[in-house]
Amino acid sequence: NAGVTQTPKFQVLKTGQSMTLQCAQDMNHNSMYWYRQDPGMGLRLIYYSASEGTTDKGEVPNGYNVSRLNKREFSLRLESAAPSQTSVYFCASIPGRKSTDTQYFGPGTRLTVL
Amino acid sequence: QKEVEQDPGPLSVPEGAIVSLNCTYSNSAFQYFMWYRQYSRKGPELLMYTYSSGNKEDGRFTAQVDKSSKYISLFIRDSQPSDSATYLCAMSVGIGGTSYGKLTFGQGTILTVHP
Repeated sequence: NAGVTQTPKFQVLKTGQSMTLQCAQDMNHNSMYWYRQDPGMGLRLIYYSASEGTTDKGEVPNGYNVSRLNKREFSLRLESAAPSQTSVYFCASIPGRKSTDTQYFGPGTRLTVL
Repeated sequence: QKEVEQDPGPLSVPEGAIVSLNCTYSNSAFQYFMWYRQYSRKGPELLMYTYSSGNKEDGRFTAQVDKSSKYISLFIRDSQPSDSATYLCAMSVGIGGTSYGKLTFGQGTILTVHP
C-alpha cells in the first residue's frame, strides 16, 4: 500500500514551458486535492475533485488545470509556467468528502521556474 | 487579512520544555480544527483533530479550541528532538454540503527542540 504518490519529485522549467504533475492514490479514496506551499503562506488549495469526473477551483487556481483521470489519478497541468509558480506542490486524498476525514498527503513535487 | 493566522516562528526550545503553538481565525463558520505535523521535505500528516470548543488530549499533545475568541492552541509536553517539525493548523466549515473536505491552513510554525 503506497498511499499517495507524486511524480516527479523535482522539476526545473523555463518560463513558458508546460508540464504535468502526476498524483495517484491506492487507497480507493473519493476526494483528491492539489495544494501549493510557499514560505510564509502555508498550504493553499489550487483545485480539488470531490469524486471521479468532477473538479472544482480552490483558492489559487489561476495558471493551472486539472484532470481527474479515474478514481486513482489526479493530475495538475501548468500550461505556460511562470516564476510565480515556483513552489512545492502537494497532492492529498480523503476517503469520502467530509472535513472530518483525514487528508493523506503525498511527498511533494519541488518545482522551480526560471 | 488571511482567514487563518499562525505565527511562523521559528520557535526553538530545549528538550523537555512545554511548547505552545497557536492560531487565530476570522471565519466564525469554522467548526472542525486540525493540527498537522510536517517533517522537513515530507508531506503533512494529521496529528490531532477537534470539533468545536474544548480540549482534546493524546499522549503528550493537547489541542484546545476557544470558539468565542476564535483561537486554537496545540500544547506539547515534555518536548523531544523528534518533535522538531513544522506544525500547521487547519480548519473547515463542515462535514457536508459543499465543504467537500476542503481545509484552510495557517502558515505553519517551525519548531526546533534541541537536546
